[in-house]
Amino acid sequence: GQNIDQPTEMTATEGAIVQINCTYQTSGFNGLFWYQQHAGEAPTFLSYNVLDGLEEKGRFSSFLSRSKGYSYLLLKELQMKDSASYLCAVRDDQTGANNLFFGTGTRLTVIP
Amino acid sequence: DTGVSQNPRHKITKRGQNVTFRCDPISEHNRLYWYRQTLGQGPEFLTYFQNEAQLEKSRLLSDRFSAERPKGSFSTLEIQRTEQGDSAMYLCASSLGLRTQYFGPGTRLTVL
Repeated sequence: GQNIDQPTEMTATEGAIVQINCTYQTSGFNGLFWYQQHAGEAPTFLSYNVLDGLEEKGRFSSFLSRSKGYSYLLLKELQMKDSASYLCAVRDDQTGANNLFFGTGTRLTVIP
Repeated sequence: DTGVSQNPRHKITKRGQNVTFRCDPISEHNRLYWYRQTLGQGPEFLTYFQNEAQLEKSRLLSDRFSAERPKGSFSTLEIQRTEQGDSAMYLCASSLGLRTQYFGPGTRLTVL
């Protein structure tokens, strides 16, 4: 089975840096994804990690440690539009599919 | 716009009625996925297709649910004899092989 944990809510100030953590347990790990989801909208892809280390993409970075079952998403220079839910998803290849198993999401509120 | 599209965006129905949703994936994507998302939760995998073949179904997909992808392009998800517990956002995603899944805007179903 799969177990993915992330904080339910976080609040941060505009212009600051915020780190959203995700821990996971899965039987057939084949990559970890972060998606952003604004209320009432579809998830949009942010980042993908399959090897240990940091992936940087503009204001967003994602880190993975496979041995620890741990990832984080780092958002720099926060903007009001970054207020959204951030979904951590693990790809499990045990069944041969490409299925994603999602955490419950972290709702980030950016305040002025 | 060449993203994933879904229709309708919203559907309100009475308990016991049948509903059908449509998903048009990104044109060159051979894999298509259906997820269900309830408020405050991450998306939950329902089923996926590789081309026209339905390769996996979650145990969440009861006998009242059926999905098709007849020509390996668009897909339909039908729910028969809807129940109030079926109220959710139904998300479709597509991918090219094992690459990143891209989500459509979803169909929000409300069962009265």
